[in-house]
Amino acid sequence: SQTIHQWPATLVQPVGSPLSLECTVEGTSNPNLYWYRQAAGRGLQLLFYSVGIGQISSEVPQNLSASRPQDRQFILSSKKLLLSDSGFYLCAWSLRDRVAGELFFGEGSRLTVL
Amino acid sequence: GESVGLHLPTLSVQEGDNSIINCAYSNSASDYFIWYKQESGKGPQFIIDIRSNMDKRQGQRVTVLLNKTVKHLSLQIAATQPGDSAVYFCAERKVEYGNKLVFGAGTILRVKS
Repeated sequence: SQTIHQWPATLVQPVGSPLSLECTVEGTSNPNLYWYRQAAGRGLQLLFYSVGIGQISSEVPQNLSASRPQDRQFILSSKKLLLSDSGFYLCAWSLRDRVAGELFFGEGSRLTVL
Repeated sequence: GESVGLHLPTLSVQEGDNSIINCAYSNSASDYFIWYKQESGKGPQFIIDIRSNMDKRQGQRVTVLLNKTVKHLSLQIAATQPGDSAVYFCAERKVEYGNKLVFGAGTILRVKS
């Protein structure tokens, strides 16, 4: 069966510090991968998606970047965090070329920037 | 794009009653819709989906209705239980967004015992 892991689950970082959130998927190959952010009391905002190694599409201009160094690994990064980067970050995957398009989410990483 | 509004709408229902959560979508070209449930501090979980060539689909205790005329989607939960308390999101697949899912703002469901 497929599983998705993301870490760390919780982190508190000072403004201006770097960020690295990691996500890995197991049990499937060539998945589409996604990073979403959920601010408090809001819906899910798509930040990045990837259809393959090294292929990253950004949905909104921001202080964050994403990389996909391996097929089932997706990393969310920042060189210098802003207060507005605080939120709940969710990694997700979907099957490539599947019509249904269901997303499978990780458990999330809560980031607090102070 | 980002969801608007600082406060999610809240639906409070009595345990055992039926719940109806509504969602309006924006693009008549969207061909696929999903409902997700998100419990506090966790990632969203799939509940039920429906394609645009259908107007109703039933699962276990849940029913999704799609009204393409008014671009409206609803989730009905029968005999609501305390474990149903969560935030519920609808998502639509927009063809012009490369078939990615775009999520609504969400609705908080509170079940009173």
